[in-house]
Amino acid sequence: GQNIDQPTEMTATEGAIVQINCTYQTSGFNGLFWYQQHAGEAPTFLSYNVLDGLEEKGRFSSFLSRSKGYSYLLLKELQMKDSASYLCAVMDSNYQLIWGAGTKLIIKP
Amino acid sequence: NAGVTQTPKFRVLKTGQSMTLLCAQDMNHEYMYWYRQDPGMGLRLIHYSVGEGTTAKGEVPDGYNVSRLKKQNFLLGLESAAPSQTSVYFCASTTDGYSGANVLTFGAGSRLTVL
Repeated sequence: GQNIDQPTEMTATEGAIVQINCTYQTSGFNGLFWYQQHAGEAPTFLSYNVLDGLEEKGRFSSFLSRSKGYSYLLLKELQMKDSASYLCAVMDSNYQLIWGAGTKLIIKP
Repeated sequence: NAGVTQTPKFRVLKTGQSMTLLCAQDMNHEYMYWYRQDPGMGLRLIHYSVGEGTTAKGEVPDGYNVSRLKKQNFLLGLESAAPSQTSVYFCASTTDGYSGANVLTFGAGSRLTVL
């Protein structure tokens, strides 16, 4: 079956750096997405990786290794507003999105 | 520009009642989706549409029906609600669901409780 694994919850300190990991086993691969979801709100797009390597976008970076079935989201200079759930999703060979359960990130002052 | 609008935002139903969730988008997107989100689980696709007049089943379609009579609207119906359908429902849309680079725009969600 298809599976996306990510940690359930992480805690970090304001101003620090945190890395959220995502491992996947899917039928084919057409890209990996990271979405941010604040409590009670809709998911919003953060990043997309289809080739191996690091994509940087401001304080957020996303890395992909297709051979290892692995990605991470790196958040730098953490702010209180970064407290949210981070969803990893993989598009399989049929262009269907397979979603992880999300990682709840708690930022402490 | 409203994006994706879902109504209602909250609803409480009794077992066996029926209801319809409405999703409207003003971005001229072809592809529309209905997901449900439950604690400890990833988003699960209920039904989707690749264009006006089309619908297709997703991962968890049982107990739900959909219609896409107009391009901008995608309706999700529950014919006979069950407590297992208590969830948060999200509608999403995109320009091309068969392009890996296309991202989803989500509505704000509809929280449904079935007693």
